[in-house]
Amino acid sequence: GNSVTQMEGPVTLSEEAFLTINCTYTATGYPSLFWYVQYPGEGLQLLLKATKADDKGSNKGFEATYRKETTSFHLEKGSVQVSDSAVYFCALSLGSARQLTFGSGTQLTVLP
Amino acid sequence: GAVVSQHPSRVICKSGTSVKIECRSLDFQATTMFWYRQFPKQSLMLMATSNEGSKATYEQGVEKDKFLINHASLTLSTLTVTSAHPEDSSFYICSARLGGGLAEAFFGQGTRLTVV
Repeated sequence: GNSVTQMEGPVTLSEEAFLTINCTYTATGYPSLFWYVQYPGEGLQLLLKATKADDKGSNKGFEATYRKETTSFHLEKGSVQVSDSAVYFCALSLGSARQLTFGSGTQLTVLP
Repeated sequence: GAVVSQHPSRVICKSGTSVKIECRSLDFQATTMFWYRQFPKQSLMLMATSNEGSKATYEQGVEKDKFLINHASLTLSTLTVTSAHPEDSSFYICSARLGGGLAEAFFGQGTRLTVV
């Protein structure tokens, strides 16, 4: 079946540090890949996505590249801010209804 | 982006009672809605997929008689947890999507259910 394995947290960084959150997937077919972010007390918001191999999704300074050869979609940001503190979910979409399969989520805390 | 409103955000109920959770798409018509359940420090697990006007499709292991889903209009889906038990305590999240294919899914804020 389809699954997403995500780097366990929590992750604590100082402001302006470099961020990497690892994500690998298993899928029967060619999925679309997503990163969602959940700020405290809010619903999930789409952060970025990639729909085919070698695509790079980017938004708000975050980037992730769809690597088919390593079945990975690692999230990176060169310089994190306190406002980036949130839970980040990696997900894939496949199937007739395009339902999402999520990773376990990674709590990120950025300290000033 | 589009807004999905989920209500209530928190609910506490007694064992044996039923609880209804609403999911509304506020500024778009959602042809498909999804219900997820999230245990502490775990992933969101898809419970069911519902299309307006038809019966929901439940994931394996989800009791359809316990988790009743109604998607009577293009802007409203409800999840009713019937005869709730403490093990049903969880975080329930809905999402709504306009159209099919790669259309983005928008998420509600989630509902924290505690059964005592």
